[in-house]
Amino acid sequence: GQSLEQPSEVTAVEGAIVQINCTYQTSGFYGLSWYQQHDGGAPTFLSYNALDGLEETGRFSSFLSRSDSYGYLLLQELQMKDSASYFCAVRDGDSSYKLIFGSGTRLLVRP
Amino acid sequence: DTEVTQTPKHLVMGMTNKKSLKCEQHMGHRAMYWYKQKAKKPPELMFVYSYEKLSINESVPSRFSPECPNSSLLNLHLHALQPEDSALYLCASSQENGYGYTFGSGTRLTVV
Repeated sequence: GQSLEQPSEVTAVEGAIVQINCTYQTSGFYGLSWYQQHDGGAPTFLSYNALDGLEETGRFSSFLSRSDSYGYLLLQELQMKDSASYFCAVRDGDSSYKLIFGSGTRLLVRP
Repeated sequence: DTEVTQTPKHLVMGMTNKKSLKCEQHMGHRAMYWYKQKAKKPPELMFVYSYEKLSINESVPSRFSPECPNSSLLNLHLHALQPEDSALYLCASSQENGYGYTFGSGTRLTVV
């Protein structure tokens, strides 16, 4: 089966850098995705890593190490609007259509 | 158009009611999904439609009945729900490889 672990809460100051870690166990690996969800809103796709290394998209970067079954989301120059829940997710080993989400990390950005 | 549109945004229904949730996408995605999300929890997969055919049913109770009339539309028919079914119901779509889901804004369902 699949399982993902991520911290439940992270707090950081506006303008700082924060890293949200995700470790996973999967029967087959097809990439690690990250989603952002504001309270009352829908999850929004942020990034996808299929290969080892760092992917950068503006203030957000995502890293993957397949040998360590580990990835992280890096948020730079934090803004108040970055306060949200962040989910890592992997595709199910038996079905490319089934996305398994981690339990989510609630990020609180303080002034 | 890069959106998934869900209606209604809010729904309150009694346990004897029948109602339907609707979802529409025009991104040419051939996979569509229903997810259920409780407060402070991750989304949980309910159903997957691939090329308009039901490909995954995550052992969802029969009081939830999905329907895919065409490649752009997805419905979720609700009947005889329980208060514990109150949740945010999310529709999503993706390319065939499951990469990069696009979620709708959801229907906040309250069963009374």
